[in-house]
Amino acid sequence: ETGVTQSPTHLIKTRGQQVTLRCSSQSGHNTVSWYQQALGQGPQFIFQYYREEENGRGNFPPRFSGLQFPNYSSELNVNALELDDSALYLCASSLLSGLTNEKLFFGSGTQLSVL
Amino acid sequence: DQQVKQNSPSLSVQEGRISILNCDYTNSMFDYFLWYKKYPAEGPTFLISISSIKDKNEDGRFTVFLNKSAKHLSLHIVPSQPGDSAVYFCAATKTSYDKVIFGPGTSLSVIP
Repeated sequence: ETGVTQSPTHLIKTRGQQVTLRCSSQSGHNTVSWYQQALGQGPQFIFQYYREEENGRGNFPPRFSGLQFPNYSSELNVNALELDDSALYLCASSLLSGLTNEKLFFGSGTQLSVL
Repeated sequence: DQQVKQNSPSLSVQEGRISILNCDYTNSMFDYFLWYKKYPAEGPTFLISISSIKDKNEDGRFTVFLNKSAKHLSLHIVPSQPGDSAVYFCAATKTSYDKVIFGPGTSLSVIP
């Protein structure tokens, strides 16, 4: 059973650029969530995808967008990067079944620095 | 508006003693609560959870207590070990297709 993997591990971009972060879900999981963790803070929910559809969104602007693919892997895209976008981006997969979506399995994250 | 609060940014405990990490929430719709542990350069890992129909859940050295009327939960680690040194996140959700909301975390240091 493979865990959640994210790529790249580190990334440096300049303000105004666009970035794509990738995530492979844990085997058997059908849901992926993306979180932003700024330094000294807890993970902030960006959005969740279930069966390739966005299934909930946090307080992030539309320049944050995502995709989930049929194999349940996922991408997070951020356009027009701002300095405040510098953070650790965490992907988490889970199995949504019935009425529960409990245990998130996280990847190690992508550290994004915007200069 | 922070719906999950962890008011202690850090905690230091002697090895073998009890560690108590506290968490408060504001949204009365939350009915499922989780604790995650995070080591540097790793993603958070699930530790223990509790449903709102319970007031206590135990797993080995880890026990979570839930006080619904006070909207407060706590994680007890007994006995504390140096390997427990990590950042602990309290998280909450509604048992539906809903997002998991995390607190800001408490950094625990267990001193040998």
